[in-house]
Amino acid sequence: AQSVTQLGSHVSVSEGALVLLRCNYSSSVPPYLFWYVQYPNQGLQLLLKYTTGATLVKGINGFEAEFKKSETSFHLTKPSAHMSDAAEYFCAVSRSSNTGKLIFGQGTTLQVKP
Amino acid sequence: EAQVTQNPRYLITVTGKKLTVTCSQNMNHEYMSWYRQDPGLGLRQIYYSMNVEVTDKGDVPEGYKVSRKEKRNFPLILESPSPNQTSLYFCASSLSRMLNEQFFGPGTRLTVL
Repeated sequence: AQSVTQLGSHVSVSEGALVLLRCNYSSSVPPYLFWYVQYPNQGLQLLLKYTTGATLVKGINGFEAEFKKSETSFHLTKPSAHMSDAAEYFCAVSRSSNTGKLIFGQGTTLQVKP
Repeated sequence: EAQVTQNPRYLITVTGKKLTVTCSQNMNHEYMSWYRQDPGLGLRQIYYSMNVEVTDKGDVPEGYKVSRKEKRNFPLILESPSPNQTSLYFCASSLSRMLNEQFFGPGTRLTVL
């Protein structure tokens, strides 16, 4: 069975500092991997995704993530945090051959301090 | 504007009173899905639909029903709501299940007293 673990339910960084949100997955077949962001009182918005090909994926708002098969990880990074990055972030995994279901991690709330 | 809409956005109801949360998408997507979001649990899939008249259970289907009579609409029905169904609900759609890039609605916050 597939699963997703996000390390740290809350992460706090200073404005301008590096953002690192950790995601590890388990999957018996090559996965599709996603990061979604949820701003307060809004739905989820896709930040980036990995399906095949280049393992370093760039997304919106300066975020990127690297698929590391050997570590079963898909950590999300941003070189310099901005106040507007404060939100909840979800890592998700899916298989190409399954029912289309996304399996989500528990979520990480990012706080950005001035 | 391409979007997924849900109504109502907020609902407070009492145990046992049937309710329907509507979901509509204007992107001609085949695949639609309902999730519930609970603190510490992330999002869990309730039901999904691969096309008109094709629906199936997700991970937490108990207490819910769905229908897909038209491609654009995918209502979520709670025949007899209970307090443990108090949650934040999201509808999502994608062009097909294979693409897996799902677009989410704004959410419906349901409280069952």
